[in-house]
Amino acid sequence: QVQLQESGPGLVKPAQTLSLTCNVSGDSIASGDYYWSWIRQPPGTGLEWIGHVFDTGSTYYNPSLESRVTISVDTSKNRFSLKLRSVTAADTAFYYCVRESNPPTWGRGMLVSVSS
Amino acid sequence: QSALTQPPSASGTPGQRVTISCSGSTSNIGTNAVLWYQQFPGTAPKLLIFKTSQRPSGVPDRFSGSKSGASASLTISGLQSEDEADYHCAAWDDGLNGRVFGGGTKLTVL
Repeated sequence: QVQLQESGPGLVKPAQTLSLTCNVSGDSIASGDYYWSWIRQPPGTGLEWIGHVFDTGSTYYNPSLESRVTISVDTSKNRFSLKLRSVTAADTAFYYCVRESNPPTWGRGMLVSVSS
Repeated sequence: QSALTQPPSASGTPGQRVTISCSGSTSNIGTNAVLWYQQFPGTAPKLLIFKTSQRPSGVPDRFSGSKSGASASLTISGLQSEDEADYHCAAWDDGLNGRVFGGGTKLTVL
């Protein structure tokens, strides 16, 4: 059974870069069967798609975040990563990594706070 | 502002049937399958419905999904107190080449 686990700093200072990694077990990203997404949810609000990556490294991003986001994949380590630059308090959110299968599989998520 | 439109709140009494709507466009709900998630405070969203009307294993058949045109619905039959949660709809958007979500509906069981 596939499992996804987010990891990274839970606290980032304003103007710095938020960096998260999603480690995948029970499935191989290199199989090319799915794409792999990042989704976030500011506390008390709705869900927002950040972007996704294919095993080839090809990406699509939410236009509202595209200028600050990079999603990459490392098939040798079976993981994919998120970098969000120039963060502000508005980027404080629960961040989830997702395998876009049918049905999709989500990680448990982690809270990243932006604060000095 | 969310790409999909849901009512911010809904309510019902135990045993009632409650329907939550989700309105989109031809580029998302009108063309693609809809998902519904249930979320309790402090937890990750849990998948209730995928492919518009299919339930993952373990989801009670009290939960059902449907769509017509660019709108979708989640219906909960025989409402129970433990159904009090937030519900989110989602769909793939062909124009965005990504996932769009509704703003979520807070369901209160009176």
